[in-house]
Amino acid sequence: AQSVTQLGSHVSVSEGALVLLRCNYSSSVPPYLFWYVQYPNQGLQLLLKYTTGATLVKGINGFEAEFKKSETSFHLTKPSAHMSDAAEYFCAVSSPLNSGGSNYKLTFGKGTLLTVNP
Amino acid sequence: DVKVTQSSRYLVKRTGEKVFLECVQDMDHENMFWYRQDPGLGLRLIYFSYDVKMKEKGDIPEGYSVSREKKERFSLILESASTNQTSMYLCASRAAAGGTTGELFFGEGSRLTVL
Repeated sequence: AQSVTQLGSHVSVSEGALVLLRCNYSSSVPPYLFWYVQYPNQGLQLLLKYTTGATLVKGINGFEAEFKKSETSFHLTKPSAHMSDAAEYFCAVSSPLNSGGSNYKLTFGKGTLLTVNP
Repeated sequence: DVKVTQSSRYLVKRTGEKVFLECVQDMDHENMFWYRQDPGLGLRLIYFSYDVKMKEKGDIPEGYSVSREKKERFSLILESASTNQTSMYLCASRAAAGGTTGELFFGEGSRLTVL
């Protein structure tokens, strides 16, 4: 079964510093991987996704992630943090809803809360 | 602009009450989901509907049921609310054409407190 592990439930950085949020996945098939962001009191929105092709994926708001099959990782980075990046970030993998079925769900990690200090 | 609307942002109910959480999407999406979000546990799938009147259980369906009578509307029902169902509930929708890689669009959530 597919699963996602996010290392670090809380990451704190200074404004202008590098943001690195870690995600490792477990999948028995080639994975489809996603990063979603949740701002306070809002629903989740898609930051970026990896399906096939280029392993470095660029998303919105200057974020990018690199799919590394050998490391089963899909870490999220941003070169320079901004105060507006403070939010909770979720890594997710697409997985079958039920064994043998044709419907797919997203299985989410437990989330990483990013704090940006002035 | 795409929109998933959850009817109630905040609800307070008593143990044993029947609770309805409503979700409406305006994107003509076939797939709709109900997730539950708890601190330290992330999002867990309660139920999924892949079309009108069609549903499948997710990872934690116990204590919940759903209804999808119209394509745009997906309701989550707590037949007899319990305190351990106090949580944030998130509705999402997705176009079937997106398949396994399609983007989920989320509502803003309904925070339910059961006393």
